[in-house]
Amino acid sequence: GESVGLHLPTLSVQEGDNSIINCAYSNSASDYFIWYKQESGKGPQFIIDIRSNMDKRQGQRVTVLLNKTVKHLSLQIAATQPGDSAVYFCADQEGNTPLVFGKGTRLSVIA
Amino acid sequence: DAGITQSTRHKVTETGTPVTLRCHQTENHRYMYWYRQDPGHGLRLIHYSYGVKDTDKGEVSDGYSVSRSKTEDFLLTLESATSSQTSVYFCAIFRAGDGYTFGSGTRLTVV
Repeated sequence: GESVGLHLPTLSVQEGDNSIINCAYSNSASDYFIWYKQESGKGPQFIIDIRSNMDKRQGQRVTVLLNKTVKHLSLQIAATQPGDSAVYFCADQEGNTPLVFGKGTRLSVIA
Repeated sequence: DAGITQSTRHKVTETGTPVTLRCHQTENHRYMYWYRQDPGHGLRLIHYSYGVKDTDKGEVSDGYSVSRSKTEDFLLTLESATSSQTSVYFCAIFRAGDGYTFGSGTRLTVV
């Protein structure tokens, strides 16, 4: 994720619409990527992951897309619900080194 | 998450005092991590462990030390707390297939 100082990038979507959250990573040797969701007062929760030998992976209502050429990762959430409101983090990893997290995007769902 | 516990949710301490945070896991995972979370910075790695007595520094390790004398416990010590160490601290374990699983976090305030 990219920093905008003290304020998180915010995405506001209407309930029922699809959401797309984007993330740029810097390490071209990263081979594993994860998206996390963090609700207020809680720890980050795993949503979906993808390895570098794939460019798309789908879960329940979520899809992760990986473009290694431009070092870009995106998370698509279908039919966004109020319960999806949270901060979303991407993270990448090279081999067994620790995950490196982006700075997060706040998703607000408008009912 | 039932597999990882940070028993202290909130703590207030005075500048210059030592503070130790404990992370406990019940699932015999090899890798454990300490991150701090601050507005505008996302999650940043402090230290991590890849086995008993095996630890390594992360991105923001200055002013912190860790110890892992047994598999289930990973301790983070602020040797002499400063106001810049006011933060939310998260412990994590690595679970194959689920990425990192985080504890519920400790909000530390240094006054």
